[in-house]
Amino acid sequence: GAVVSQHPSWVICKSGTSVKIECRSLDFQATTMFWYRQFPKQSLMLMATSNEGSKATYEQGVEKDKFLINHASLTLSTLTVTSAHPEDSSFYICSALDRSTDTQYFGPGTRLTVL
Amino acid sequence: QKEVEQDPGPLSVPEGAIVSLNCTYSNSAFQYFMWYRQYSRKGPELLMYTYSSGNKEDGRFTAQVDKSSKYISLFIRDSQPSDSATYLCASTSGGSYIPTFGRGTSLIVHP
Repeated sequence: GAVVSQHPSWVICKSGTSVKIECRSLDFQATTMFWYRQFPKQSLMLMATSNEGSKATYEQGVEKDKFLINHASLTLSTLTVTSAHPEDSSFYICSALDRSTDTQYFGPGTRLTVL
Repeated sequence: QKEVEQDPGPLSVPEGAIVSLNCTYSNSAFQYFMWYRQYSRKGPELLMYTYSSGNKEDGRFTAQVDKSSKYISLFIRDSQPSDSATYLCASTSGGSYIPTFGRGTSLIVHP
């Protein structure tokens, strides 16, 4: 299947700092990518839909000024957690939509720990 | 009520057992049903994908959907320790690429 990578795989940061997470589709072009957050023993919760060349669409309750999404190319979307706080500690997973097969492929996730 | 309900487990079985994992859903518009496998600290991996009611088999895995009762099942035959993971069911309505996920069932297959 198609491969989606994320970087970094884990990150620890101090409260108040910003963290950028990259999501790349390695063997297909993805005009649409998704960002999810998963707390321990919970389901994946969609945060936002990222569309190449346009503004992201955020789900209700997700602060767009706190979670900045940039989808500047057909293979790269970035999520920046600004002024991170301990409650932002979570597992962040991206996915990329391969429209040739209408299949969503997930990245391996990024574990964020905010101290 | 969550749109997709799933017992989180854990479900512990001996190697070689037949495993039954189940979900219920409430949205009648759901037409596509998926099962994902998620290993610890990894992203989900699509296992099975079915449309509407019926069965679909792939090796040791069988997915079953009963739309009349809004019930989704995944059966694993001859379970192996490598099957130990969290299994998430998910559903979408026609035209939506965004699945609604259950919270996942943790499966442990012990040797």
